[in-house]
Amino acid sequence: GESVGLHLPTLSVQEGDNSIINCAYSNSASDYFIWYKQESGKGPQFIIDIRSNMDKRQGQRVTVLLNKTVKHLSLQIAATQPGDSAVYFCAENKGGSKLTFGTGTRLQVTL
Amino acid sequence: DAGVIQSPRHEVTEMGQEVTLRCKPISGHNSLFWYRQTMMRGLELLIYFNNNVPIDDSGMPEDRFSAKMPNASFSTLKIQPSEPRDSAVYFCASRIGETGSQYFGPGTRLLVL
Repeated sequence: GESVGLHLPTLSVQEGDNSIINCAYSNSASDYFIWYKQESGKGPQFIIDIRSNMDKRQGQRVTVLLNKTVKHLSLQIAATQPGDSAVYFCAENKGGSKLTFGTGTRLQVTL
Repeated sequence: DAGVIQSPRHEVTEMGQEVTLRCKPISGHNSLFWYRQTMMRGLELLIYFNNNVPIDDSGMPEDRFSAKMPNASFSTLKIQPSEPRDSAVYFCASRIGETGSQYFGPGTRLLVL
């Protein structure tokens, strides 16, 4: 039979533009969120995190926004570069030590 | 500083054989996690340890899978006997404390023929 894999949404942006990657999380009790970047053939790499008592956090070229009302998380990348091309995962901590990962979004940066 | 170290990086084996994957967490990290990543199911948590003690193994697929952490600097994930459906990339991650970011190793790409 035909195999079916996860369909990763893809975001294509031009080099130099800003990227916005979105994530809907499931549990209103989740208190901690992380964005990871995974390049081909590598493990997920920590980008930025945010706790539920905040609604915005900034890093170097990246900003994470948290909207608890609609259970939505976004990652903004400023001045997107070719090296930003990867799959981006959001993860939520629902309590305890476990993280639950989303299915990921593929970011393609075009020249 | 060295990150999480996994070995081997690639493993090809035949169905029925025993496979052992190894992980060295970041020094000082007291939580260790084993994940499996496939195209079909994405990233799945198999088991995690806190202070070398298994806390939650509910993600371990079946009895063919076992994991140990004999000390703070070493963990193994064993599959015996291996099956083709076990083919995946297996990641180890570690963390300091009980909450916060997990830091991933480069993964072991396993192919069971």
